[in-house]
Amino acid sequence: NAGVTQTPKFRVLKTGQSMTLLCAQDMNHEYMYWYRQDPGMGLRLIHYSVGEGTTAKGEVPDGYNVSRLKKQNFLLGLESAAPSQTSVYFCASSPPRDNTEAFFGQGTRLTVV
Amino acid sequence: GDSVTQMEGPVTLSEEAFLTINCTYTATGYPSLFWYVQYPGEGLQLLLKATKADDKGSNKGFEATYRKETTSFHLEKGSVQVSDSAVYFCALTPMGAGNMLTFGGGTRLMVKP
Repeated sequence: NAGVTQTPKFRVLKTGQSMTLLCAQDMNHEYMYWYRQDPGMGLRLIHYSVGEGTTAKGEVPDGYNVSRLKKQNFLLGLESAAPSQTSVYFCASSPPRDNTEAFFGQGTRLTVV
Repeated sequence: GDSVTQMEGPVTLSEEAFLTINCTYTATGYPSLFWYVQYPGEGLQLLLKATKADDKGSNKGFEATYRKETTSFHLEKGSVQVSDSAVYFCALTPMGAGNMLTFGGGTRLMVKP
């Protein structure tokens, strides 16, 4: 009954460090997404994937890279972290049909100092 | 581009009070509209949705009607409970855009006994 699992749940980085956030889903969903959540701004789409081996940019992709080597996993990378990337990151997945429910992970709280 | 505007919170109500959270949107064509809820420490969950004009979505006593003429999707509940305390997000997906969501800024609801 796992659904969408994100690791880690919390992380503190120093400016310039790199890290990878992992998202795993066990629902066999084609579509996966990475969002960031900032106070008063809701969630904004960073990158998304419509299938294994494919990725595309969302609304705020700068400073991030992603990979979807396996259908169940979607990785978000920060090559050189900046304080502006301090945020809560959410992964989500959904079936490939329009207007269906997106399932979200519990989030990763990242602080860049 | 597409956008969603929600009333700013926090909204503080007493138990059994009537709830309205306003949501308006800007989009071309006929987007699908959603309300997601985020309980403390958790990811977002779909609360309800509507996919065409005049549709009413409902779940757990919450309702929202898709009003094309006023580009609105206001969330209502007749009698709130303490357990409804959460952050509520209005969101849309454009026609044919899979499930890529554009979110409003979120409204925090606090219900006091």
